[in-house]
Amino acid sequence: EAGVTQSPTHLIKTRGQQATLRCSPISGHTSVYWYQQALGLGLQFLLWYDEGEERNRGNFPPRFSGRQFPNYSSELNVNALELEDSALYLCASSAFQTGGWETQYFGPGTRLLVL
Amino acid sequence: TQLLEQSPQFLSIQEGENLTVYCNSSSVFSSLQWYRQEPGEGPVLLVTVVTGGEVKKLKRLTFQFGDARKDSSLHITAAQPGDTGLYLCAGANAGGSNYKLTFGKGTLLTVNP
Repeated sequence: EAGVTQSPTHLIKTRGQQATLRCSPISGHTSVYWYQQALGLGLQFLLWYDEGEERNRGNFPPRFSGRQFPNYSSELNVNALELEDSALYLCASSAFQTGGWETQYFGPGTRLLVL
Repeated sequence: TQLLEQSPQFLSIQEGENLTVYCNSSSVFSSLQWYRQEPGEGPVLLVTVVTGGEVKKLKRLTFQFGDARKDSSLHITAAQPGDTGLYLCAGANAGGSNYKLTFGKGTLLTVNP
């Protein structure tokens, strides 16, 4: 079974540009989560999509946005890039387990560098 | 805001030693997960604990969820260089629209041969 895939693996942008990151979940998973992992800050929750809808959002400005497509893949868009947006962006997918709790499976991440 | 504190932040030991990593919070979680992350890769799930007091063993790794479901520990017996990595704990609140995982900042473990 294929795991979560993300593209591109690396992305270099300059300040003010826009970045688009993509994620394909594990087959059968309907939920996709996005996290930012910046140096020294740990994983910070960005967005949660399920069945094409945004379900929850972390404490990030509106220039971080995304969407989920009918095939459950997802896109994260970061507008007006700032230097501090440089980080590893991780996508995870999940399917509800018995009992109502979820296990999230992570992709390898996209390393975004803003110059 | 739910916070998870992990300790120690850094740990460097010799092969064969035992170690324990802690994950503490003032909040109650419905489940807690432990991940290991290697440089340049995404976190890989090691275990999920869901019941207060639960103990799970995965070869040389022993995971425990506190009785009050606010804390957890990871104990590694006879550590090996292959155990090197960033260990992350993540707490999940109950389901619904506010569901998310709250991650600790991690413990960076180095096992020297």
